[in-house]
Amino acid sequence: GAVVSQHPSRVICKSGTSVKIECRSLDFQATTMFWYRQFPKQSLMLMATSNEGSKATYEQGVEKDKFLINHASLTLSTLTVTSAHPEDSSFYICSASPSGGRTDTQYFGPGTRLTVL
Amino acid sequence: AQKITQTQPGMFVQEKEAVTLDCTYDTSDQSYGLFWYKQPSSGEMIFLIYQGSYDEQNATEGRYSLNFQKARKSANLVISASQLGDSAMYFCAMREGYSSASKIIFGSGTRLSIRP
Repeated sequence: GAVVSQHPSRVICKSGTSVKIECRSLDFQATTMFWYRQFPKQSLMLMATSNEGSKATYEQGVEKDKFLINHASLTLSTLTVTSAHPEDSSFYICSASPSGGRTDTQYFGPGTRLTVL
Repeated sequence: AQKITQTQPGMFVQEKEAVTLDCTYDTSDQSYGLFWYKQPSSGEMIFLIYQGSYDEQNATEGRYSLNFQKARKSANLVISASQLGDSAMYFCAMREGYSSASKIIFGSGTRLSIRP
């Protein structure tokens, strides 16, 4: 099956620093990728839809200036948490569907656990 | 706006028994897709099964089947012959439309625990 990778898998940073998380589709192209955040014992909350070559679409309540998304190619989307604070500590997961392909599947990355001290 | 509801925060089931995880949804779209995912403690999201709104037959994938009742807007997951490895969080999700660019929204999840 299709594979989506995320890097890093785990990151610890100091408050006020920025952290970049990469999401790659390894064996397929994805015009659209999605970024989710999951707090402990909660569900996945969609943060934004990442569109290759254009601006991301953010969900209501998500600060676009804080969570910068860049979808520079058909296989790579990045999420940068700027000026991170302890309340940004969470599990961040990306997902993607093959462009122009089946829509009955959605492949998820393994997630990135962010801890802000 | 689309909405997914999972009313069972947690369930305990004896090994080898069948279990049904409930999911109801709300959408004004005629075209939509329903998903079930399993999330073990490692955090990875494992795709289990998919049902399209126009699919006339219930989807099945091995021990997993989706009981799709369109009029009632329910999409319950049935796991037959449960195993210890089935212990995990289970999420129901929905995508409006059939485009790969359409977002998927998740329910609150059900934590399933299998007793030996």
